[in-house]
Amino acid sequence: GAVVSQHPSRVICKSGTSVKIECRSLDFQATTMFWYRQFPKKSLMLMATSNEGSKATYEQGVEKDKFLINHASLTLSTLTVTSAHPEDSSFYICSATSGGVTGELFFGEGSRLTVL
Amino acid sequence: AQSVSQHNHHVILSEAASLELGCNYSYGGTVNLFWYVQYPGQHLQLLLKYFSGDPLVKGIKGFEAEFIKSKFSFNLRKPSVQWSDTAEYFCAVNAGTNAGKSTFGDGTTLTVKP
Repeated sequence: GAVVSQHPSRVICKSGTSVKIECRSLDFQATTMFWYRQFPKKSLMLMATSNEGSKATYEQGVEKDKFLINHASLTLSTLTVTSAHPEDSSFYICSATSGGVTGELFFGEGSRLTVL
Repeated sequence: AQSVSQHNHHVILSEAASLELGCNYSYGGTVNLFWYVQYPGQHLQLLLKYFSGDPLVKGIKGFEAEFIKSKFSFNLRKPSVQWSDTAEYFCAVNAGTNAGKSTFGDGTTLTVKP
């Protein structure tokens, strides 16, 4: 299957700093990518839908100014957690799809963010 | 809004035992249903999906799931598990939108003892 890669897999930062997480589709073009947040022992919570060349669509309750998403190319989407606080510590996962309702989702390996 | 409930948080089985993981959803309209699996240290990946047609769908590695519309259920089954099936299993539902805009269950951890 297709490969989606996230980087970094783990990041530790100080409170108040910003952190960027990259999501790349390595062998296919992804017009749409998705960003999720996963809390311990909980399901994936969709944060936003990232469309190449346009603004991301955020789910209700997700602060767009805190979680900046950029999808500048068909193979790269980035999530920037701005002015991070300890409560932003979490596991962030991206996925990419070849498109449409029946398009299969391919997931990245996830990025563990720890804010001190 | 949809919600997905996975009843079993942690299931422990011996090899060759049969498996059934429950998944119920709440949504009155047309739904697309998925099971994803995450093996230790690996990415989440699609196990099987249902969009329409035969409510009994077969996926990879001998897994199958049955969509029972009247029960709002999409339970995952495998007749004989192997140690390599040890993983986290997630049920997901979407209301006919892009697969990425799915609602996920909390996951079930399956541990298969050799």
